[in-house]
Amino acid sequence: SQTIHQWPATLVQPVGSPLSLECTVEGTSNPNLYWYRQAAGRGLQLLFYSVGIGQISSEVPQNLSASRPQDRQFILSSKKLLLSDSGFYLCACGGTGVQPQHFGDGTRLSIL
Amino acid sequence: KQEVTQIPAALSVPEGENLVLNCSFTDSAIYNLQWFRQDPGKGLTSLLLIQSSQREQTSGRLNASLDKSSGRSTLYIAASQPGDSATYLCAVNRDDKIIFGKGTRLHILP
Repeated sequence: SQTIHQWPATLVQPVGSPLSLECTVEGTSNPNLYWYRQAAGRGLQLLFYSVGIGQISSEVPQNLSASRPQDRQFILSSKKLLLSDSGFYLCACGGTGVQPQHFGDGTRLSIL
Repeated sequence: KQEVTQIPAALSVPEGENLVLNCSFTDSAIYNLQWFRQDPGKGLTSLLLIQSSQREQTSGRLNASLDKSSGRSTLYIAASQPGDSATYLCAVNRDDKIIFGKGTRLHILP
């Protein structure tokens, strides 16, 4: 079965600092990969998804970017964090066929 | 643009009762619909996945139905238990995009 690793679990960063969150997947090949953000009191907002290496689709214009350098690696980045970037970031894979979508444990990002 | 709505936003019921959570979506051209459970501060756990050609799926005390033409799904929980307390989210998939509702926060009273 698929396993998704996300790190770190918690991160506190100052405004204007860079960001790099990494997600790796085990137990599957060529998965669809997703980054979501869940802000307090709000639902899951789809940020980026990828159907293959180097293929990134952005859903929401913002100062975040994503990259997929390897088949089972998905990275969320920012050059300069904003206060509004605070939230719970979740990486997920699959869910587009007969298999359910699987999620990592998430990274709680606080911007000071 | 696909929009997913979940009603109610929050629900409290006594232990042992049966309950229904609702999910509606605006674009009926979906590949599948999933129900998830999220415990506070945790990731999501998939509960049930219904393909667009299916009408329902069952797992233990959970039953999810799908009426694609009307853009509705329900999650039925039988004989609720305090351990069922969590946020329940539905999500629809089309063209590799999976869009979530805001969830229903369920509290089962012991």
